[in-house]
Amino acid sequence: EIVLMQSPGTLSLSPGERATLSCRASQTVTDNYLAWYQQKAGQAPRLLIYGASIRATGIADRFSGSGSGTDFTLTITRLEPEDFAVYYCQHYVTSPWTFGQGARVEIK
Amino acid sequence: EGQLVESGGGLVQSGGSLRLSCVTSGFTFSRHDLHWVRQAPGKGLEFVAAISGNGARTDYGSSVKGRCTVSRDNSKNIVYLQVDRLRSEDTAVYYCASGGYGAPANWGQGTLVSVSS
Repeated sequence: EIVLMQSPGTLSLSPGERATLSCRASQTVTDNYLAWYQQKAGQAPRLLIYGASIRATGIADRFSGSGSGTDFTLTITRLEPEDFAVYYCQHYVTSPWTFGQGARVEIK
Repeated sequence: EGQLVESGGGLVQSGGSLRLSCVTSGFTFSRHDLHWVRQAPGKGLEFVAAISGNGARTDYGSSVKGRCTVSRDNSKNIVYLQVDRLRSEDTAVYYCASGGYGAPANWGQGTLVSVSS
């Protein structure tokens, strides 16, 4: 089973700043089968990125994904007020697919 | 994009079974892979099960494998999740989601399952 570790656990930033979230896998994530989700309190998750770097439909271009192998990054170039949320990475290489433990982006 | 509405949650006794349903609309059901993902109170996301559009492929999370069956009825646009031998750690909000196999883009609002000991 591939274990995903996200860092940092919490990121305290101000609107307009850049957020960089890391996701490290215990094994190679082949074919870049890595996704990122955003979840706000009381809401369902929202798919942001799949294939490590492909934005899902309707996702703003301030969100970008990068990386390969075992190291992946989600970058939010300029934080908007609605971006303060919890972010999860998830692989879908082979079952069981697993999620990282989540990373909170909070207002400083 | 469509809509997904989960039902069947509630209070269930430990050791019992439940069947969740997810009714969908607004998209060509048989062309979409369906997923179940759960979230225990105050915790992160956990993959539970997935089924391909034609039902030929299924996958399960490690904590439910052997206790769980995902199925779909393409004539009714419904996907089901049967969970047996329920444990307290199965208490969670269960989300139904559709989209690319492994990375679903369209999610329901979830149904809460509480397992009492």
